[in-house]
Amino acid sequence: AQTVTQSQPEMSVQEAETVTLSCTYDTSENNYYLFWYKQPPSRQMILVIRQEAYKQQNATENRFSVNFQKAAKSFSLKISDSQLGDTAMYFCAFGLTGGGNKLTFGTGTQLKVEL
Amino acid sequence: GAGVSQSPRYKVAKRGQDVALRCDPISGHVSLFWYQQALGQGPEFLTYFQNEAQLDKSGLPSDRFFAERPEGSVSTLKIQRTQQEDSAVYLCASSLIGTDYGYTFGSGTRLTVV
Repeated sequence: AQTVTQSQPEMSVQEAETVTLSCTYDTSENNYYLFWYKQPPSRQMILVIRQEAYKQQNATENRFSVNFQKAAKSFSLKISDSQLGDTAMYFCAFGLTGGGNKLTFGTGTQLKVEL
Repeated sequence: GAGVSQSPRYKVAKRGQDVALRCDPISGHVSLFWYQQALGQGPEFLTYFQNEAQLDKSGLPSDRFFAERPEGSVSTLKIQRTQQEDSAVYLCASSLIGTDYGYTFGSGTRLTVV
């Protein structure tokens, strides 16, 4: 079974600053995906960024980038130039390749961006 | 439709009542998933459909939980004899087949059992 751990229940950052959210996972599999999802108060889960485990290059999406360390089973999210709209719960998630596409989520980090 | 639609948005049930939660996926999306999200937790997988076939129901917590998708589009999650521990947000997601994890989530139904 796979597990995902997010050890930071809450974080805050000043607007325009950079923040890093941590995630570790445990699996014995070699082929998988990792994800960061954002969940605002509307409750809809929104995909922020995804990483295929076979790719060594870290994924980036505009202000969002990841630091993927496969050997350490670590997958952190960096948000640059933080904006008020980034305030939300952030979930790290794991999915096996071809594994019915079901996701295993962490417990989340509540990020607050302050003026 | 443009997105995944779930109804009702909020549901309050008395303990012991049966409830039915509806998910209307994006048109053409073959895969459909249900997740349960308890307060302060991440979503947990309940069940997975490919068209009308329920291929994985390993996450359903008890035989009081039942899901169906009879025509391969709209899905209903039914909970019989609700209990307080069933209180949670129930999220539905859909995707095209062959797009690994190309999920679109709905906004969920918040179920409160009193």
